Amino acid sequence: EAGVVQSPRYKIIEKKQPVAFWCNPISGHNTLYWYRQNLGQGPELLIRYENEEAVDDSQLPKDRFSAERLKGVDSTLKIQPAELGDSAVYLCASSLVGPWSVYSVGNEQFFGPGTRLTVL
Amino acid sequence: GENVEQHPSTLSVQEGDSAVIKCTYSDSASNYFPWYKQELGKRPQLIIDIRSNVGEKKDQRIAVTLNKTAKHFSLHITETQPEDSAVYFCAAPKGAPTGGGNKLTFGTGTQLKVEL
Repeated sequence: EAGVVQSPRYKIIEKKQPVAFWCNPISGHNTLYWYRQNLGQGPELLIRYENEEAVDDSQLPKDRFSAERLKGVDSTLKIQPAELGDSAVYLCASSLVGPWSVYSVGNEQFFGPGTRLTVL
Repeated sequence: GENVEQHPSTLSVQEGDSAVIKCTYSDSASNYFPWYKQELGKRPQLIIDIRSNVGEKKDQRIAVTLNKTAKHFSLHITETQPEDSAVYFCAAPKGAPTGGGNKLTFGTGTQLKVEL
């Protein structure tokens, strides 16, 4: 079974340019996450989707970042315009989440390989 | 929101020794605590997790303990091997999930180096 797929793996752009990242989650996974990981830090959640609905985007810088998951499968994350501080690894993750109960707490998140963004 | 602190930031052990990494969390409603391993340039991968209805879980050389009263949990690796060298992240959710999914807050990571 294929894991989470992301593209591109690397991207180098100049500041003020737009950039987009693409993610294909594990087949059947209804929940998709975008994280940003700065060097030497843990992943930081940007946005979480349940099917096609963004249920948590409180940490997404909405002035320049946007995301979509139109059909509840693939997702894109866009930055426009990019700033120097946006240089990081952008990780996509997915999980299969059923009806919540105290016994279903915690659903393994499977991460993709990430896109390393360098803004010059 | 959830605040997760992780210590130490770096840990060097001799092959065969044990390694312990500790994390504390702030949200008393948190009920799921995963540990991820990330090798250089690779994706984070889940190695073990624990739910709040148990105090300890073990999987071969890896174990996790949870103290809900003190709000801390620890990763224990015994008989360390060079291939255990990586960055390890703990995480905790922001309270109980509603409608599914977990908003995980990750620790800052521990660079474990197992020396021959």
